[in-house]
Amino acid sequence: GENVEQHPSTLSVQEGDSAVIKCTYSDSASNYFPWYKQELGKRPQLIIDIRSNVGEKKDQRIAVTLNKTAKHFSLHITETQPEDSAVYFCAARASTGGFKTIFGAGTRLFVKA
Amino acid sequence: DGGITQSPKYLFRKEGQNVTLSCEQNLNHDAMYWYRQDPGQGLRLIYYSQIVNDFQKGDIAEGYSVSREKKESFPLTVTSAQKNPTAFYLCASKGGSAYNEQFFGPGTRLTVL
Repeated sequence: GENVEQHPSTLSVQEGDSAVIKCTYSDSASNYFPWYKQELGKRPQLIIDIRSNVGEKKDQRIAVTLNKTAKHFSLHITETQPEDSAVYFCAARASTGGFKTIFGAGTRLFVKA
Repeated sequence: DGGITQSPKYLFRKEGQNVTLSCEQNLNHDAMYWYRQDPGQGLRLIYYSQIVNDFQKGDIAEGYSVSREKKESFPLTVTSAQKNPTAFYLCASKGGSAYNEQFFGPGTRLTVL
């Protein structure tokens, strides 16, 4: 079945450093790739997304890159701040199959002040 | 908070009892989803519904049941057949396009005593 692998499971960085989270998907029909941030005990919230016809997208300190050939996509956070500490989930969705969104296992990011 | 609500926030159940989790949305979304989240893990799809009176099993449907009698509502019943029901349950909804954001409810934390 469809699968999304996410690495690393835990990431610790110093405030001001960059953080990179990487994901790989298996379903070649996937054409939409959202990233969610979940703070402790809260709901996941969309922070950025990218469509398959785009290779890179940026929103202030956050950027996402997509390599369709390799089925890889990555989240880049620059100038990290303590409030960036949370669990981040990558996901992949195809236009078919009921718009099922397949989530990665999550990356717990710690930003040390 | 995105127009999607879940109740109750915390739920305690004795072994052998069925329990129903509520999910309501006022976003006029056709698609609704139920996910289960265990500590340190990603989101696993239980059931999803693309339209009223229709729903499909996700990856871990055993021991769960749903109904979709109204567009706004997608209740999840955790039956006594579910072997390990203690988890955080998240409901989500999404508009019609494949690229629409999936909005999550605040979640229900179910504990089996």
